[in-house]
Amino acid sequence: QVQLQESGPGVVKSSQTLSLSCSVSGGSISSDGYYWTWIRQHPGKGLEWIGHIYHTGNTRYIPSLRGRIAMSVDTSENHFSLRLTSVTAADTAVYYCARGTDFRGQPYIDYWGQGTLVTVSS
Amino acid sequence: SYVLSQAPSVSVAPGQTATMTCDGDNIGRKFVHWYQQKPGQAPVLVMYYDSDRPSGIPERFSGSNSGTTATLTISRVEAGDEADYYCQIWDSGTDYFYVFGTGTRLIVL
Repeated sequence: QVQLQESGPGVVKSSQTLSLSCSVSGGSISSDGYYWTWIRQHPGKGLEWIGHIYHTGNTRYIPSLRGRIAMSVDTSENHFSLRLTSVTAADTAVYYCARGTDFRGQPYIDYWGQGTLVTVSS
Repeated sequence: SYVLSQAPSVSVAPGQTATMTCDGDNIGRKFVHWYQQKPGQAPVLVMYYDSDRPSGIPERFSGSNSGTTATLTISRVEAGDEADYYCQIWDSGTDYFYVFGTGTRLIVL
C-alpha cells in the first residue's frame, strides 16, 4: 500500500517561498509509469493540478504558475518536493501530493496524501 | 483549455440511484476517472478508465462514457456516499495535463 505524506510550513508570508515535501512509502519513487504530482484545492473550491515530476526529473507545470514553480525528486530518499515563489493570498490552499498512474496513456491519481493547508499571510 | 462541466449538486433519497454526469467536448474519446471527496478528507479514486472500479469500491458504483457525456452511477445510495464527486481526464493536447471537472455534491436526503 503506497502512502504519501506532505510536510512543510502551514503559514507562508506574502512574497516569500512556499516549500513542501512529500515522503513516499510502500513503493519506490523510481518505478516507471508513475507521475509524482501536486494538486491544490482553494478553500471551498475544486481540485487543480499544478504539476508533476517523473523520477527522471522531467517536469510539467500548469502554465499559470510557470516562472514561480519548481519540483524536484530525491530518489535516494524516496521523496519529492514543491517550491512556489512569490506567493500571494491566491496561493492559499490545501496542497496534496499524489501519485499519477498511467497504463493506457491517460493517467489517473491512485494515491493521495492527506493534504496540508498552506495559508499565505500578509 | 479543455473544460469538464458537472452539475453543482444532485440530491437522492437513500436506496435510490444517483446519476452524476461530466460533460466535455468529445469526452467519449478520452478515458474518464472519478474521485469521491468527503469533507476534510483527501479525494479517493472510485472509478478509472471510464468503468473500472478500484479494489474496495462497492459494486454499487458504475461508470460509462460516450459522446459528450461521462456518467458515474451509484445504485442503492447510502448516507455514507454523500460527498463531492470530481471527474478527471488527461489532456495531452494542451499544457493542462490533468483536467478536473467542477465537481458535483451528492446530497443524500
